[in-house]
Amino acid sequence: DTAVSQTPKYLVTQMGNDKSIKCEQNLGHDTMYWYKQDSKKFLKIMFSYNNKELIINETVPNRFSPKSPDKAHLNLHINSLELGDSAVYFCASSPGGNQPQHFGDGTRLSIL
Amino acid sequence: AQKITQTQPGMFVQEKEAVTLDCTYDTSDPSYGLFWYKQPSSGEMIFLIYQGSYDQQNATEGRYSLNFQKARKSANLVISASQLGDSAMYFCAMRDLNQFYFGTGTSLTVIP
Repeated sequence: DTAVSQTPKYLVTQMGNDKSIKCEQNLGHDTMYWYKQDSKKFLKIMFSYNNKELIINETVPNRFSPKSPDKAHLNLHINSLELGDSAVYFCASSPGGNQPQHFGDGTRLSIL
Repeated sequence: AQKITQTQPGMFVQEKEAVTLDCTYDTSDPSYGLFWYKQPSSGEMIFLIYQGSYDQQNATEGRYSLNFQKARKSANLVISASQLGDSAMYFCAMRDLNQFYFGTGTSLTVIP
């Protein structure tokens, strides 16, 4: 059973479109995250949700909006996609305390 | 100041030799967790090892060990008996005050 699953794995779309990436975790973790990994492999945290409440909101454009219908899901919606949005987006989850995050396999977003 | 610093962009090691990947961190929180992740060329993020700030002994997981020097704020990863499959990016990470921070990564290449 996949612990953290995100779909789609690949997403190719044109500038200006709106797209969503879905994430689900079956680990019972309280906190979920979205990261962006650029072409230089740098990981930047975008959002963190704890029990459906946003607890971290880094300085990302407001075209990006996280949506958490329940504790097991944290979807990422992106409006008006730009070339600079091309990256790999990772979903992750963790339990409380200083415990490790578990990552999904990533979604490679390519903007044409 | 950088929360996590990895000063080695790339490292090479001969197969079957040991290698140390450096990581220093910065935090004023007495309670924190330190982690290492492996990212092979296939892209997934794999959790390797965890060290809590109050742990007295260095963490070990199979061929991985974490050389935790609290006074120096360093958390180096030691991989013993390197294998070709160890070639990957390695990220050091820290959690404090309910936030996660990642380093810029070290690319390890194991030479046959």
